[in-house]
Amino acid sequence: TQLLEQSPQFLSIQEGENLTVYCNSSSVFSSLQWYRQEPGEGPVLLVTVVTGGEVKKLKRLTFQFGDARKDSSLHITAAQTGDTGLYLCAGAENYGQNFVFGPGTRLSVLP
Amino acid sequence: NAGVTQTPKFQVLKTGQSMTLQCAQDMNHNSMYWYRQDPGMGLRLIYYSASEGTTDKGEVPNGYNVSRLNKREFSLRLESAAPSQTSVYFCASRTGKTRDTQYFGPGTRLTVL
Repeated sequence: TQLLEQSPQFLSIQEGENLTVYCNSSSVFSSLQWYRQEPGEGPVLLVTVVTGGEVKKLKRLTFQFGDARKDSSLHITAAQTGDTGLYLCAGAENYGQNFVFGPGTRLSVLP
Repeated sequence: NAGVTQTPKFQVLKTGQSMTLQCAQDMNHNSMYWYRQDPGMGLRLIYYSASEGTTDKGEVPNGYNVSRLNKREFSLRLESAAPSQTSVYFCASRTGKTRDTQYFGPGTRLTVL
């Protein structure tokens, strides 16, 4: 069974600051996804990365997939209060349909 | 389109009671999933259905059963609820293609006393 670790577990920052959260595993993934989840709702997909070294940008969010496809990072520039939520990474092995989720990073952006 | 819908939104059961969580999607997706989410543990896969008529166990299937009633509906049954099954349950669906999006329902918050 794959094990995905995410760090930090909790992060509280002021609006306007930059931050990076990490997703790490000893397993190689064929694809990796990042989700954001708000209280009382289901996770919403932000991005899927499939190629080692791939970098994807979504407005102020930058996602990177490690060269060895074992890790990923999410960088947020100039955080806004609307970025508050639980950030989950999920990896799939061997092009399988099922994703294993990490425990998440809970981000609070204060005004 | 409603996306993925789940009922009920909240439920309280006593130990030993049974119940069925309902899930439906209107996006014509082939694959459907049931997850549970517990604090500090992310989402764990209970059962999934890659297509109508097929179901397979995920990481934590014990104590649960599922039915893929048709392409739209995928239900999760607890035959004899236990306090360890207190959790938030999410249903999800996706087309099954690479890079496609997995859509989640709003969740069912279940408490077993």
